[in-house]
Amino acid sequence: KAGVTQTPRYLIKTRGQQVTLSCSPISGHRSVSWYQQTPGQGLQFLFEYFSETQRNKGNFPGRFSGRQFSNSRSEMNVSTLELGDSALYLCASSFAEGAVGYNEQFFGPGTRLTVL
Amino acid sequence: AQRVTQPEKLLSVFKGAPVELKCNYSYSGSPELFWYVQYSRQRLQLLLRHISRESIKGFTADLNKGETSFHLKKPFAQEEDSAMYYCALSGTSYGKLTFGQGTILTVHP
Repeated sequence: KAGVTQTPRYLIKTRGQQVTLSCSPISGHRSVSWYQQTPGQGLQFLFEYFSETQRNKGNFPGRFSGRQFSNSRSEMNVSTLELGDSALYLCASSFAEGAVGYNEQFFGPGTRLTVL
Repeated sequence: AQRVTQPEKLLSVFKGAPVELKCNYSYSGSPELFWYVQYSRQRLQLLLRHISRESIKGFTADLNKGETSFHLKKPFAQEEDSAMYYCALSGTSYGKLTFGQGTILTVHP
């Protein structure tokens, strides 16, 4: 099976702009989680989508949003970019079928966002 | 609230030496604990999880609920073990893993 893919791999934006990142999960996986990775804060959970519904959200401002499509592909959007949004954004997919708890998460290579 | 602590940012050992990467957690319920590894220029991947109780690449980890620890051990380190290791916890919320800050392991020849 093809792994989780993320596009684009690199992005450079300026403050105030908005950005959309895309994640294609492993075929058959319906859950997609997003994480932000920075040197200072490490890996932090942003949100999770399952069957086009956001089921869980981390402690990030409303500028961070996402959605999931019927084919399970997911996008996340960051509006009004700030310098502190510079990070590696990872998505992970799993086979989760609605049960709370862990289903192995498979990670993509990430999108490196730089905000100038 | 759930929290994962990896007290060592950096860990250096020589090839053939035992290695132990420490992980402590804080969680009020019964967590699921995992170790993820990221080799140079590769994506984050699952190394092992406590419920499987198996050894992967010679690594083992035992969940100690009394000490709230999940340390990763290998009796004889290899150079190819050099990587970033993350301890992670899954509670009862959908799709969320809580990660520790990570430990960079360097195995010297």
